[in-house]
Amino acid sequence: GIQVEQSPPDLILQEGANSTLRCNFSDSVNNLQWFHQNPWGQLINLFYIPSGTKQNGRLSATTVATERYSLLYISSSQTTDSGVYFCALGGSNYKLTFGKGTLLTVNP
Amino acid sequence: NAGVMQNPRHLVRRRGQEARLRCSPMKGHSHVYWYRQLPEEGLKFMVYLQKENIIDESGMPKERFSAEFPKEGPSILRIQQVVRGDSAAYFCASSQDNNEQFFGPGTRLTVL
Repeated sequence: GIQVEQSPPDLILQEGANSTLRCNFSDSVNNLQWFHQNPWGQLINLFYIPSGTKQNGRLSATTVATERYSLLYISSSQTTDSGVYFCALGGSNYKLTFGKGTLLTVNP
Repeated sequence: NAGVMQNPRHLVRRRGQEARLRCSPMKGHSHVYWYRQLPEEGLKFMVYLQKENIIDESGMPKERFSAEFPKEGPSILRIQQVVRGDSAAYFCASSQDNNEQFFGPGTRLTVL
């Protein structure tokens, strides 16, 4: 099956700092999504990005499918950005395989 | 457009009881997926359904677990004779045409 590796596993930032989260994957994909799991456990869709670049406010993402990686950029971080960020991939059968996540803590 | 709805949000069962988890997909979505998040194990796929059909149940435990998505009504994930190891967060997701999946708020099952 598809292997998904996320880095770093943990990240601590001061409010206002920028960060880059990385997702490496082992196979070609039809679906790549980034999620934020907030401290209440809810999974929030951030990006659907099997290829290319997208931006939404302070967040942006880039997927280079040929090199099998995706990056999530968070700029001017806020305390509400804290939580776990997951990268998830779907292959030909479309079921999502999740990485282990990056635990982000943003301190005031 | 309402999102994916799951109920109950929290469910407490004693060992040996049955748990029924419900999921209503987003309007217009005909694909439903169930995932389980166990402590320290991350999110794992369980089953993929379309109306009245199980498409892929490769992630479902072979015993005690079943899922359905009837012609009318929500999708149901049923766990019979629950054990403590079933305690987890169960998430439902839906999609249109096998593309972006949208997740519900989850059901947190606690087995006493």
